Amino acid sequence: QKEVEQNSGPLSVPEGAIASLNCTYSDRGSQSFFWYRQYSGKSPELIMFIYSNGDKEDGRFTAQLNKASQYVSLLIRDSQPSDSATYLCAVSPTDSWGKLQFGAGTQVVVTP
Amino acid sequence: ETGVTQSPTHLIKTRGQQVTLRCSSQSGHNTVSWYQQALGQGPQFIFQYYREEENGRGNFPPRFSGLQFPNYSSELNVNALELDDSALYLCASSLGLQSDETQYFGPGTRLLVL
Repeated sequence: QKEVEQNSGPLSVPEGAIASLNCTYSDRGSQSFFWYRQYSGKSPELIMFIYSNGDKEDGRFTAQLNKASQYVSLLIRDSQPSDSATYLCAVSPTDSWGKLQFGAGTQVVVTP
Repeated sequence: ETGVTQSPTHLIKTRGQQVTLRCSSQSGHNTVSWYQQALGQGPQFIFQYYREEENGRGNFPPRFSGLQFPNYSSELNVNALELDDSALYLCASSLGLQSDETQYFGPGTRLLVL
């Protein structure tokens, strides 16, 4: 069983719509969760991090965390063509702080 | 720009050779982590260094080794290269060792093993 799971996509989203990305993780004691965006051929760049249950908003992005369900999601509102990328969910495990475990990523394609 | 640099950007080696990849962290960042990202996969944790000491290792064989220097630079060495070592190698720097530390990635080195 993979430790961090994401739907691989591609997730096709019309421009202006909301993109919803999901991530589940296996280590119940994980404390920190990160969303990275990766354009093709580039390195990951941090979009958001979340540590507490609930929602966290930053501009057009909202991260949602539910530790009881071991589930973290990312919403992208008013999707733009520039949002077309692969989104990586990363988890900092209980006894390996800072040694991030990544999902395989979800590819998002925003269509004009 | 994250302030993290890596060299070289691309590299071609043949099976059995050795390679050294380099990373320069943000000034003041005491922690550097190295990741391997195969095509279509998420990054896989190789190892982490904190103040020049190894601070944890992922599921990689001993032929993957590293060093961290006092000037915030670090190296990843891979001996006896195999075809499956072809990947994007990423270094990421962070301030310390807290679970909520943000890691800033460099642009990566793309290694092709023939």
